[in-house]
Amino acid sequence: DQQVKQNSPSLSVQEGRISILNCDYTNSMFDYFLWYKKYPAEGPTFLISISSIKDKNEDGRFTVFLNKSAKHLSLHIVPSQPGDSAVYFCAARSIQGAQKLVFGQGTRLTINP
Amino acid sequence: NAGVTQTPKFQVLKTGQSMTLQCAQDMNHNSMYWYRQDPGMGLRLIYYSASEGTTDKGEVPNGYNVSRLNKREFSLRLESAAPSQTSVYFCASKTHGGVNEQFFGPGTRLTVL
Repeated sequence: DQQVKQNSPSLSVQEGRISILNCDYTNSMFDYFLWYKKYPAEGPTFLISISSIKDKNEDGRFTVFLNKSAKHLSLHIVPSQPGDSAVYFCAARSIQGAQKLVFGQGTRLTINP
Repeated sequence: NAGVTQTPKFQVLKTGQSMTLQCAQDMNHNSMYWYRQDPGMGLRLIYYSASEGTTDKGEVPNGYNVSRLNKREFSLRLESAAPSQTSVYFCASKTHGGVNEQFFGPGTRLTVL
């Protein structure tokens, strides 16, 4: 079963506008959520995280929102830049398996000039 | 600091051949991980090592073995490669405790014919 789901395989956004990437999860024991960014032929790099006790975390152009009742989180990128074109992975950590992360399938974001 | 390094970058094997993927980190991290990335599947955990001297199965361990050689090095072995093991393999590491930010290597692209 897919505990972390990113239902949009791809997203295309115009430069300067807002990009919103979504992630849903099913496991109530997840206590930490992370977003990773991946360029082609490179490993994923950590972008931003949020604890389950918070509903928002902001870092520059990147903001992650968490809605625990809906088991949903989203990553907002404002304003979107061409360098943001990459695959974005949502990941979650369970209280029961604190050393491990569960990843979503990824969403390919393309920023158009 | 080189971070997490992986060798080789590319490899082509015939069905039934064996090989070992090497991973090393110079960040003095306790935990190390092996993932595979397949289209539409995200990153799936194969094996991990929470600390030197311990290894545990992840989500997809069948057909693989691992060795935590020392604190720096964590290798992944395919004893008898199968076409289903064609994938991109990523090694990652992290410190013990704290935010579960994992640092990833650049990946090994493996093709099994």
